[in-house]
Amino acid sequence: QLQLQESGPGLVKPSETLSLTCTVSGGSINTNNYYWGWIRQPPGKGLEWIGSVYYTGGTYDNPSLKSRLTISIDTSKNQFSLKLSSVTAADTAIYYCTREVAGTTVHYWGQGALVTVSS
Amino acid sequence: DIEMTQSPSSLSASVGDRVIFTCRTSQNIGNHLNWYQQKPGKAPNLLIHAASILESGVPSRFSGSGSGTDFTLTISSLQPEDFATYYCQQSDSTPPTFGQGTKVEVK
Repeated sequence: QLQLQESGPGLVKPSETLSLTCTVSGGSINTNNYYWGWIRQPPGKGLEWIGSVYYTGGTYDNPSLKSRLTISIDTSKNQFSLKLSSVTAADTAIYYCTREVAGTTVHYWGQGALVTVSS
Repeated sequence: DIEMTQSPSSLSASVGDRVIFTCRTSQNIGNHLNWYQQKPGKAPNLLIHAASILESGVPSRFSGSGSGTDFTLTISSLQPEDFATYYCQQSDSTPPTFGQGTKVEVK
């Protein structure tokens, strides 16, 4: 059974960079047909797709975040990562790592990691 | 970006009720519409993709329909485990966008 697990700091200061890693187990990240992505959810609010990465390193990014966003993949570690720069309180959210079909349907989700932006 | 509008934003229902949610998109997306269920403190779970195709393991009381800009999710007989928030998502164009959710509460 495929499992995804987010890890990273739960507290980030304003203007700094949010960094999260997703570790995939129960399957290889080095696979055709699927992208590895990130979706966030501010507490008590709805879902926002952030972006996703293919095993070759190609990415889809949400244009609203693109200027601050880096999504990368490390197939040797079966991990992929999110970096979001210049964060503000508006970036406070639960961040989910996911497996999706090329920027579309999400079939697998991590349990989520709450990241709070505060000084 | 394609805008998604779900209605109602919340509803109160009883076990055994037939419940219908709607999702409207700002442009024609064909059948590229997914439905997710989210329970408190948990990640969302895919129920239906391509507007009407039930995911493996999802009870048959759930069904989806629609195409173009108007879609519905129906629960034929609400069960206790169905009290949750339901989100629609369009998968027609990047970025994929979600509705604001419909929360089903106990009446």
